[in-house]
Amino acid sequence: ELKVEQNPLFLSMQEGKNYTIYCNYSTTSDRLYWYRQDPGKSLESLFVLLSNGAVKQEGRLMASLDTKARLSTLHITAAVHDLSATYFCAGLVKTSGSRLTFGEGTQLTVNP
Amino acid sequence: DGGITQSPKYLFRKEGQNVTLSCEQNLNHDAMYWYRQDPGQGLRLIYYSQIVNDFQKGDIAEGYSVSREKKESFPLTVTSAQKNPTAFYLCASSIDSRGARVQPQHFGDGTRLSIL
Repeated sequence: ELKVEQNPLFLSMQEGKNYTIYCNYSTTSDRLYWYRQDPGKSLESLFVLLSNGAVKQEGRLMASLDTKARLSTLHITAAVHDLSATYFCAGLVKTSGSRLTFGEGTQLTVNP
Repeated sequence: DGGITQSPKYLFRKEGQNVTLSCEQNLNHDAMYWYRQDPGQGLRLIYYSQIVNDFQKGDIAEGYSVSREKKESFPLTVTSAQKNPTAFYLCASSIDSRGARVQPQHFGDGTRLSIL
């Protein structure tokens, strides 16, 4: 059974700073996803990572995947207030009906 | 525009009452999913369906029921057996049930359920 753990769960940072959110998973995952959720809203897909060494970037966010370490990271560069949200990683195992297993989420607050 | 529509946005349940949450998608996706989110927590899978007329229990199915009579629709009933139903319920769909294509799950806007 796939288990996904994120850390930190809460992150408060200043604008302009860099930081990384970590996502560890317990068993082989066929895909690794990152989602963003604004308060009271639904989930927005950010990245899909498929293979070892995969790196994807969108604006100030960059996601990477190390399948050997069972670790994905979401790196935030020069944070701005608009990035304040909760970020979830989720793993997918194809043999289990393509169900997603979510981490607990990292609540990011970017302060001016 | 294609998407997932959940209704109602807010729902109140009385003691002993069953309530049904609607989820409709026009994305022509095969698979559909129901998640529950409690405040400050991640998403937990309630039920999922890979094809019409078939569905499987997720991690927290007790007190819930679903049906999948049409490809576009996957309603969730919260029964009176679910003693703590207050939560944010999210419906999602994905293009295929085997994860063969690289597409994320798409989510609806959610239904917030509370007890009266």
